[in-house]
Amino acid sequence: DGGITQSPKYLFRKEGQNVTLSCEQNLNHDAMYWYRQDPGQGLRLIYYSQIVNDFQKGDIAEGYSVSREKKESFPLTVTSAQKNPTAFYLCASTSRLNTEAFFGQGTRLTVV
Amino acid sequence: AQSVTQPDIHITVSEGASLELRCNYSYGATPYLFWYVQSPGQGLQLLLKYFSGDTLVQGIKGFEAEFKRSQSSFNLRKPSVHWSDAAEYFCAVGADYGQNFVFGPGTRLSVLP
Repeated sequence: DGGITQSPKYLFRKEGQNVTLSCEQNLNHDAMYWYRQDPGQGLRLIYYSQIVNDFQKGDIAEGYSVSREKKESFPLTVTSAQKNPTAFYLCASTSRLNTEAFFGQGTRLTVV
Repeated sequence: AQSVTQPDIHITVSEGASLELRCNYSYGATPYLFWYVQSPGQGLQLLLKYFSGDTLVQGIKGFEAEFKRSQSSFNLRKPSVHWSDAAEYFCAVGADYGQNFVFGPGTRLSVLP
């Protein structure tokens, strides 16, 4: 079945460590997105990528980095510069033909 | 800039009752409009979408939504709520391909037996 896979589902890290969240899609979609979700705040865009080797900052990019070396993959690194990294992170993708976004199941990151 | 408001943070309805979740948007042109549903700890699932044409759109799970340009609204409705509908609902507005989706803050729906 086609879809978006985020891993791991739960992630614990110590403060000051960088951590990378995985997002893989087999939908042949060109655009991919990373959102952060906090209670009562909806989804906020971190980064998005329309094509391979290109990406743009979203509304809350500070303290995060991404890469898009392959069409299928869009990993997100939460760096030690992110002041409040504990959150639920969602990856999504869209195609050129169908603007609706398909979402992964999310990764809950807890920094202690 | 695009924006989406969902005036109701939390709604409680009895099973079998009708439901309407409100969504208002701000956008310069005709937007793409979406409703998504999220169960706890899960990703978002698309309920329905509006791109153009008939302003009343049907979605999955018995949901429908009506686009009203004059009111900048895209309210979600269901005639009879089931206990399994308890979840968080997000309205979103999108522009052209590859551009940013803007999500509302969400409305949490609780269903009483």
